[in-house]
Amino acid sequence: EAGVAQSPRYKIIEKRQSVAFWCNPISGHATLYWYQQILGQGPKLLIQFQNNGVVDDSQLPKDRFSAERLKGVDSTLKIQPAKLEDSAVYLCASSLGAGEDTGELFFGEGSRLTVL
Amino acid sequence: GNSVTQMEGPVTLSEEAFLTINCTYTATGYPSLFWYVQYPGEGLQLLLKATKADDKGSNKGFEATYRKETTSFHLEKGSVQVSDSAVYFCALSVGGGFKTIFGAGTRLFVKA
Repeated sequence: EAGVAQSPRYKIIEKRQSVAFWCNPISGHATLYWYQQILGQGPKLLIQFQNNGVVDDSQLPKDRFSAERLKGVDSTLKIQPAKLEDSAVYLCASSLGAGEDTGELFFGEGSRLTVL
Repeated sequence: GNSVTQMEGPVTLSEEAFLTINCTYTATGYPSLFWYVQYPGEGLQLLLKATKADDKGSNKGFEATYRKETTSFHLEKGSVQVSDSAVYFCALSVGGGFKTIFGAGTRLFVKA
């Protein structure tokens, strides 16, 4: 079974530029999460989708971050304009999101962003 | 609100030593509790979980017991190996939507 796919793995940009990250969850997983992991810290939830609807985006800085999951499958997270403090690893995770869901999250390898 | 607090690292042990990584939580309702592990160069993966009070999760020689009275979920292993060197994250999820909140992580180094 294929895991959660993310791209790009690494991205270096200048501040005020834009960047986009892509995630393809495990087939059949209804719930998709984007987390931000700053070096030395635990993952912080940015946004959670159930199919193509947003369940929680309370910690998403909406003035610069946006995310979509148009067809309820893959998702894109965008940052525009980037700030130095956005340097982090952006993790995508998915879960069943239905009756048999035990709450286990399946993570991709992450996209490491460096803002100069 | 909901939060997870785990002991700061790094923790450095010799091979075959006993490991404890403390984790306490604050939650509304009845959370499920998890330990995730991140090996060098890899993504986070589930190590073990417990979904209700007094449940014990176990995997790969690691154990953790869901203690509601002390709001704790400490990770233990009787004899660590070099291959256990990784970052360990305690986490909780609440509600039907399984919103998952992570602790800051504890880095473990095991010396041969």
